[in-house]
Amino acid sequence: GDSVTQMEGPVTLSEEAFLTINCTYTATGYPSLFWYVQYPGEGLQLLLKATKADDKGSNKGFEATYRKETTSFHLEKGSVQVSDSAVYFCALSERSGSARQLTFGSGTQLTVLP
Amino acid sequence: DTEVTQTPKHLVMGMTNKKSLKCEQHMGHRAMYWYKQKAKKPPELMFVYSYEKLSINESVPSRFSPECPNSSLLNLHLHALQPEDSALYLCASSQSGTPLFFFGPGTRLTVL
Repeated sequence: GDSVTQMEGPVTLSEEAFLTINCTYTATGYPSLFWYVQYPGEGLQLLLKATKADDKGSNKGFEATYRKETTSFHLEKGSVQVSDSAVYFCALSERSGSARQLTFGSGTQLTVLP
Repeated sequence: DTEVTQTPKHLVMGMTNKKSLKCEQHMGHRAMYWYKQKAKKPPELMFVYSYEKLSINESVPSRFSPECPNSSLLNLHLHALQPEDSALYLCASSQSGTPLFFFGPGTRLTVL
């Protein structure tokens, strides 16, 4: 079945540092890929998405490129802020029967220190 | 309206109580989902409804009973829960043919 492997956390960075969170996937077809963010005590927010190979998703300074050849969708940000502290989930979506399903990675806790 | 709403935000219940969680969306989405999320873990799929019919039940115990009364509303009926069922319960919806999922803010459930 489909699966998502995500970089283990926790990750602790200083403000303005460069962030990379690795994500690789296994899928039978052509999935869409997502990064979700969850701030403490809140639900899931879609951070960015890519629906086909070589697409680049971007939002709030975060970027990720859909790399089919390496089955990867790594999240990057050039300069993190304290407010970026959250748990980040990589996910893929494929059609399964009559409805799509989301498969999540294990999540990476990011803490940014001032 | 691009929002999924969930009520209540917080729920505390005893093991003998019966309660219900409610989820609503008015985006015309025909697929709706219940997920369970423990702290610092990814959401786990519980149920999928497609066109108001239950299409996936991920071997969830019968003390959780989903219901989809119409295309905008999804309920999760709870009965005789265990303390280990304490978690954040997330509802999501998606439109057929598109990969985008919209999540609600969740109901934080505590079972005493």
